[in-house]
This record gives sequence, structure tokens and C-alpha cells, in this order.
Amino acid sequence: QVQLQESGPGLVKPSQTLSLTCTVSGDSLISGGYKWSWLRQSAGMGLEWIGRIFTSGITNYNPSLQSRVTMSVDTSKNQFSLKLTSVTAADTAVYYCTRGRPGATAGEYWGQGTLVTVSS
Amino acid sequence: EIVLTQTPSSLSVTPGQPASISCKSSQSLLHSDGNTYLYWYLQKPGQPPQLLIYEISNRFSGVPDRFSGSGSGTDFTLRISRVEAEDVGVYYCLQSLALPLTFGGGTMVDIK
Repeated sequence: QVQLQESGPGLVKPSQTLSLTCTVSGDSLISGGYKWSWLRQSAGMGLEWIGRIFTSGITNYNPSLQSRVTMSVDTSKNQFSLKLTSVTAADTAVYYCTRGRPGATAGEYWGQGTLVTVSS
Repeated sequence: EIVLTQTPSSLSVTPGQPASISCKSSQSLLHSDGNTYLYWYLQKPGQPPQLLIYEISNRFSGVPDRFSGSGSGTDFTLRISRVEAEDVGVYYCLQSLALPLTFGGGTMVDIK
């Protein structure tokens, strides 16, 4: 059974960079050609898809965040990561990583989520 | 981007009774490959969303058969044939036909 676990600082100061890592266990990141996504959920915005990354490194981002988002993958550690720059209070949310269904992006397996608060 | 509109926003159901949630898309979710990329999730309190239904009507592994999905094009429905106490939470529809992926606003289901 695939498991995903988000990790990273729970508190980030305004204007700084949010950095999170998703560690995948129970399967190899490079098997199956799956698509790996980051999403977030805040009280005000509901569920929001941030973007996805293929194990080749190809990325697609939500246009609403594209100028501030970077995703990367480290297959040797079975991890993929999210960086969001110039954060504001509006970026306070629970951040999730997911593995897509075969041939699709929609999350089949989700991490438990990690709360990131942006505050000074 | 594709907008998904869910109704109702909340639903209170007597155990054993049916429930139905609607999800309407701003454009058809039918892909040229013949699949329709509409999904249903349930988010229980304090948990991440869990996949219930994929591609309109296919139950994900372990999902009870009281859950069913139907629809086509732009109109979709999730039905629970007999609601149980464990079904409480917020239900979301999701489309992955086009980027960015987008979710409906959610339907909160509780038990009377």
C-alpha cells in the first residue's frame, strides 16, 4: 500500500519561501509513470490544486500560483518537493501531496496533510 | 478554468435514507479518449479527502456499494442508497479533464 507523508516547517514568515517535501513509501516513485501533485486547503478557498510533477521532472502549475511555485523530484530519496515563494497570510493552509490514478492526475492516494501558517 | 457547481451545500439525512449530490460543470468533461474525468471524494473530519468514485461511476477499492455515481457531459450525481453514520463529512467533485484541476465547493452531509 502506497503511503505519502508531507514534512516541512509549520510556520513561515511573510515574504519568505514555503518548502515542503513529500516522502513516498510502499512503492518506488519511478514505477508506474504516475503523476504526483500538491494541493492545499484553506478555510477561505476550499481545495486548490497547486500543480503536478512527473518523475521525468516535467511540471504543470496552477496559473494562479505559477509565478511563485517550483516543484522538484528526487527519485533517489523517493521524494518530491514544493517551494512557494513570497508567501502571505493567504497561503496559510493544509498542504497535501497525492499520487494520481493510473493515467490520470486526480489523487488516488493522499498524504495526511501538513498545516502551514504564514505569520510573523 | 472549468468551474464545478455542487448542490446542495449541505444535507442532513436520517440513517438508512438515501442521499443525492449534484455536480454541474461549466463545460463537458468528456475527453477525446472516451473517458470522462469526473471524480467524487469524501473528506471526513480531520482527514484528507478519500477517493470514492472515479470516471463518473467506478467505485474505488474498498468503497461500499451503497455509493454510486452517474451522469455524463456536464451533469453528474453521487448517490448514497442508505446513509450510515460513517458517511458524515464533506463530499467534493473534482475534474481532471483540463488543467488546472478544479473542485466543486463541497457538500456537507450530517446525520439527523
